[in-house]
Amino acid sequence: DGGITQSPKYLFRKEGQNVTLSCEQNLNHDAMYWYRQDPGQGLRLIYYSQIVNDFQKGDIAEGYSVSREKKESFPLTVTSAQKNPTAFYLCASSWRTSGDPIRDEQFFGPGTRLTVL
Amino acid sequence: AQSVTQLGSHVSVSEGALVLLRCNYSSSVPPYLFWYVQYPNQGLQLLLKYTSAATLVKGINGFEAEFKKSETSFHLTKPSAHMSDAAEYFCAVSDLPDRGSTLGRLYFGRGTQLTVWP
Repeated sequence: DGGITQSPKYLFRKEGQNVTLSCEQNLNHDAMYWYRQDPGQGLRLIYYSQIVNDFQKGDIAEGYSVSREKKESFPLTVTSAQKNPTAFYLCASSWRTSGDPIRDEQFFGPGTRLTVL
Repeated sequence: AQSVTQLGSHVSVSEGALVLLRCNYSSSVPPYLFWYVQYPNQGLQLLLKYTSAATLVKGINGFEAEFKKSETSFHLTKPSAHMSDAAEYFCAVSDLPDRGSTLGRLYFGRGTQLTVWP
């Protein structure tokens, strides 16, 4: 089955530790995204990537880092510089039609809930 | 940047009643508009999308939305609520990509939590 997987589902981190959230897709999508979700705030874009080896900051990139070494994978690292990392993190991906901008629907993974102890 | 406003963070209806979730957008150009649904501790699932074809868009699970340019609205409706409709609903707008980019970003509203009473 095609889809997006995120692991782990629940993650606990001690203050001062870096943690990496995994996101893998087998939909052959070009673009991938990371969002942070906090209660009552909707989804806020952290980073996005249109192609392999390229990515751009979203609205709240401070304290986060990403890589895009493979088309299928877009891991997110939450660094110790992120002051309030407890949140629900969602990964998404979308098509890129040749010659057209990426404006089509985004497909979402099941999410990772990160809690800082 | 584009923006989306969802009026009402919580909406409660009785089973069988009309569901109306409100969404207004701001966009200087014709946008693409989306409604997503999220069940507890899960990712988002697309309900429907508007891409400038028909102004009345039908989606999954009996939901539909009407694009009204004059009102800059894209309200989500369902004639008869079911218990399984209880979830959080997000409206999103996608604008044209910035110069030099081919990516049209999605901007999400803050969400509306729908409760359905038996």
